[in-house]
Amino acid sequence: QKEVEQNSGPLSVPEGAIASLNCTYSDRGSQSFFWYRQYSGKSPELIMFIYSNGDKEDGRFTAQLNKASQYVSLLIRDSQPSDSATYLCAVKDGTSYGKLTFGQGTILTVHP
Amino acid sequence: DGGITQSPKYLFRKEGQNVTLSCEQNLNHDAMYWYRQDPGQGLRLIYYSQIVNDFQKGDIAEGYSVSREKKESFPLTVTSAQKNPTAFYLCATYRHSGNTIYFGEGSWLTVV
Repeated sequence: QKEVEQNSGPLSVPEGAIASLNCTYSDRGSQSFFWYRQYSGKSPELIMFIYSNGDKEDGRFTAQLNKASQYVSLLIRDSQPSDSATYLCAVKDGTSYGKLTFGQGTILTVHP
Repeated sequence: DGGITQSPKYLFRKEGQNVTLSCEQNLNHDAMYWYRQDPGQGLRLIYYSQIVNDFQKGDIAEGYSVSREKKESFPLTVTSAQKNPTAFYLCATYRHSGNTIYFGEGSWLTVV
């Protein structure tokens, strides 16, 4: 069974701080890695994806990938209360049509 | 409007009943997926389809069935064999160019 594990939460950070979310995966054949944000009762929204080792930045979000360590992370800079949500890590296998395996999610709370 | 339409948004099932969740897309995406989410959990793959008239079991297919007679449609039937069907069900599509999965708004199924 291919596994995706996220750091257990909930994670609580003050407004303006950096939130760090972590994810490890078991399948070395994984090709693409995704971070989704999910508000309570809603469907997941894509934040960003990464497929090369290193960092990828998009606004206040930075994804970091280390394939040798089978580790992917998401940093949220200048955290805002509106960032409070569940963050899901997802890993795509090497096939063409995107079978995605999700982690269990980490609840983030940003308090004013 | 372009997108993925799931219906109904809320559904109640009696013991021993089969129910069908609808998923329609007008994005012209080839691949479609059904995920199940239990409270506080990540998403688990039920079934997925890469092309019309073809579909594969995901990690938790027992008690579910699907069909893919048209590119636009991928209905999910929750059969009476699924003993614990109360959950949030999410339909998704995949665009190969752009490497992105899009989600519908989800359907809540409750057993009464």
